Amino acid sequence: DAKTTQPPSMDCAEGRAANLPCNHSTISGNEYVYWYRQIHSQGPQYIIHGLKNNETNEMASLIITEDRKSSTLILPHATLRDTAVYYCSPRRPGANNLFFGTGTRLTVIP
Amino acid sequence: DVKVTQSSRYLVKRTGEKVFLECVQDMDHENMFWYRQDPGLGLRLIYFSYDVKMKEKGDIPEGYSVSREKKERFSLILESASTNQTSMYLCASSPGPGGRISDFGEGSWLTVV
Repeated sequence: DAKTTQPPSMDCAEGRAANLPCNHSTISGNEYVYWYRQIHSQGPQYIIHGLKNNETNEMASLIITEDRKSSTLILPHATLRDTAVYYCSPRRPGANNLFFGTGTRLTVIP
Repeated sequence: DVKVTQSSRYLVKRTGEKVFLECVQDMDHENMFWYRQDPGLGLRLIYFSYDVKMKEKGDIPEGYSVSREKKERFSLILESASTNQTSMYLCASSPGPGGRISDFGEGSWLTVV
């Protein structure tokens, strides 16, 4: 399974876009990139996933570089409730495991 | 909108006690998982189950066992709790092989003294 590197912390002003990077340079061709977040003392929450095309849903957008070695999660209009630890997690189809690294602690500032 | 429910949010147990952590999901999912989460170590898979009465070891099964007698329920058992099992335990489920793990429980904080 590919390992990931994320900045340990980031701040974002409320209402602005939060761009959270993830390096996964050892990702294999069939691994999807999953993003989750975890608000303090709660279970992780699925956000979005993708293989090589950019993806968007009601929560966020996911931009994956052409070489697939990195990706960026975009929260278009961050709110205070988006303060959480964000994890990117490469995962093979059919794999039952889910590896979480140490993630990025995003703090949205009023 | 309850999906994955863990029976105990906070527990304090003594060393050597037998501990049961219960997890129930109401989405008719095939797969269920138990993870533990520790600072600096991320999420680590203890056991998972892909069907009733079926189980597979994850990355750190030592000191744990599991039970899945019904599709909706997956129990984690610490046969003889030790202080190094103090952790946050997370249950999750997914619809089938390779299915997206999109539903986690709220977590159970276990302290072993």
